[in-house]
Amino acid sequence: SQELEQSPQSLIVQEGKNLTINCTSSKTLYGLYWYKQKYGEGLIFLMMLQKGGEEKSHEKITAKLDEKKQQSSLHITASQPSHAGIYLCGADINNADKLIFGTGTRLQVFP
Amino acid sequence: DTGVSQDPRHKITKRGQNVTFRCDPISEHNRLYWYRQTLGQGPEFLTYFQNEAQLEKSRLLSNRFSAERPKGSFSTLEIQRTEQGDSAMYLCASSFAQGNEKLFFGSGTQLSVL
Repeated sequence: SQELEQSPQSLIVQEGKNLTINCTSSKTLYGLYWYKQKYGEGLIFLMMLQKGGEEKSHEKITAKLDEKKQQSSLHITASQPSHAGIYLCGADINNADKLIFGTGTRLQVFP
Repeated sequence: DTGVSQDPRHKITKRGQNVTFRCDPISEHNRLYWYRQTLGQGPEFLTYFQNEAQLEKSRLLSNRFSAERPKGSFSTLEIQRTEQGDSAMYLCASSFAQGNEKLFFGSGTQLSVL
């Protein structure tokens, strides 16, 4: 969706390195959701952010929401091969009762 | 397994044939969504139901596509007269409450139209 832009489109990092994925909306956000997808599989829910300035962490993954900038970032600390996959941000734009998704960021982590 | 279930996982069909996919949502979820995903893209919204009512359908969706949720439980997505451009992963998701669109996704049905 052009309403949600993710960057970078792909990322290749060495195991142990930190990385950040960004998601920017062209419209007002009413909730921002991060998912992870392995090739050919469904989406696995990671985190949900609903308030400006909100920050959540799970294991080595941290997500933040900047409501004013209509932007969210996903940060992985000390990446591992198990972090490899496609990271997708989804947003409820304009309180429309459905999620619109970005094009995804493909992450590869090599030993 | 109490997650979202989709059947079949893979479907290969010839152009012009009709296909039907099934989705069984998490039992207490009243909302059910269908998305389509092509290689290298994020999921694209197709339609969604609240209980048995179809509340929204994407304007981009061809009239060859129809979805039902007759008893407010499982849903079917039918594609008539399939075209090669219909080849994609069809994802189903369900959620519990309005205003909290945390979606739980199934594993998807991969459709290949030859």
